[in-house]
Amino acid sequence: AQSVTQLDSQVPVFEEAPVELRCNYSSSVSVYLFWYVQYPNQGLQLLLKYLSGSTLVKGINGFEAEFNKSQTSFHLRKPSVHISDTAEYFCAVSAGTYKYIFGTGTRLKVLA
Amino acid sequence: DAGVTQSPTHLIKTRGQHVTLRCSPISGHKSVSWYQQVLGQGPQFIFQYYEKEERGRGNFPDRFSARQFPNYSSELNVNALLLGDSALYLCASSLGRGLRSYNSPLHFGNGTRLTVT
Repeated sequence: AQSVTQLDSQVPVFEEAPVELRCNYSSSVSVYLFWYVQYPNQGLQLLLKYLSGSTLVKGINGFEAEFNKSQTSFHLRKPSVHISDTAEYFCAVSAGTYKYIFGTGTRLKVLA
Repeated sequence: DAGVTQSPTHLIKTRGQHVTLRCSPISGHKSVSWYQQVLGQGPQFIFQYYEKEERGRGNFPDRFSARQFPNYSSELNVNALLLGDSALYLCASSLGRGLRSYNSPLHFGNGTRLTVT
């Protein structure tokens, strides 16, 4: 079975500052990893995915994440955030099926 | 191209009633999955359907059922509603049966907000 831990429930950060949202996972098999963003009253939008290959993954809106197998982590980073990045961010893991296991989410609040 | 569409967007029901939620996948996508997102939590897997057959089921009671139609659209049915069924119900679609086919991740709709009173 797989599980996901998002270590921070809320992250406040000033506009144009860098941010890192942390995600750790556990699994006894190889996994696929995802970050999704959810804006208020909307569904989930895929930011980026790790399926195989390069451990540094670049996504939309300037976000990137690094898959670290030894530390079982998949942290999300952005070098300079904007007010419009304020949203809920979810990390998810899958063993290859569409039964994704989601974390509890991190609320990113970008301050002016 | 249209994304995943869900209807209705909002719904209010009374305990004990039945509800049907509908989902149309992205054109060409044959797999539909349903997730429940309770306020303040991450989505939880309910079902996956591929080519009209159930391919996966999460830890939900038998009050929850679903089906997929020949045009790949899907319905989620919940019987004997409980207060705890209040949640955002998300539908997601993808090309193939699993991630190993087409390298295709899930694409989510905007959800149906169900409130049970």
